[in-house]
Amino acid sequence: QVQLVESGGGVVQPGGSLRLSCAASGFTFSSYGMHWVRQAPGKGLEWVAFIRHDESNKYYADSVKGRFTISRDNSKNTLYLQMNGLRAEDTAVYYCAKDPGCCRYFDYWGQGTLVTVSS
Amino acid sequence: EIVLTQSPGTLSLSPGERATLSCRASQSISSSYLAWYQQKPGQAPRLLIYGASGRATDIPDRFSGSGSGTDFTLTISRLEPEDFAVYYCQQYGSSPWTFGQGTKVEIK
Repeated sequence: QVQLVESGGGVVQPGGSLRLSCAASGFTFSSYGMHWVRQAPGKGLEWVAFIRHDESNKYYADSVKGRFTISRDNSKNTLYLQMNGLRAEDTAVYYCAKDPGCCRYFDYWGQGTLVTVSS
Repeated sequence: EIVLTQSPGTLSLSPGERATLSCRASQSISSSYLAWYQQKPGQAPRLLIYGASGRATDIPDRFSGSGSGTDFTLTISRLEPEDFAVYYCQQYGSSPWTFGQGTKVEIK
């Protein structure tokens, strides 16, 4: 069965950096695009970034463009999100989510990792 | 950017009743590229519906989706106790891929 396990969340000061990881199993990771989606406390869902299966294209929400970088290591079945220049408004649970391959929705989700940006 | 507006914000119903949730888009969504998700407290979202009306794997047939263009609906034919949750619609017709603000289905 598909499993996605995020890690790397924590408390960081404004302006700081953090790298999130998502370990994938139960499917051929190298064949599917992957996303990061976040949810601020008590708020709705916001798509953050997408990477194609072969890293040929990457897409970002305007709110994180230039500060966040999505990447993957297909040899390790792992997705990453490098977050720099963190702001208070980046505080959220960050989910990794699998793309079905054809279209940009989210057919499987991890349990999420909490990032708190606070001084 | 396509803005999705969900209504109502909260739906108060009893088990066994029918739930009808609405999702309206600020512009037409190509090819009915609309999905619905269910989220329970402390859990990740779960895919229910894709392509406006396709049921995801292992989703009970009491969940159904319909609509096209700018107006979409999620219907739960008979609410079970485990269906009380927050529901989000999401469009994937054009980037950035956006979500509605959610509809909470609560026990009356």
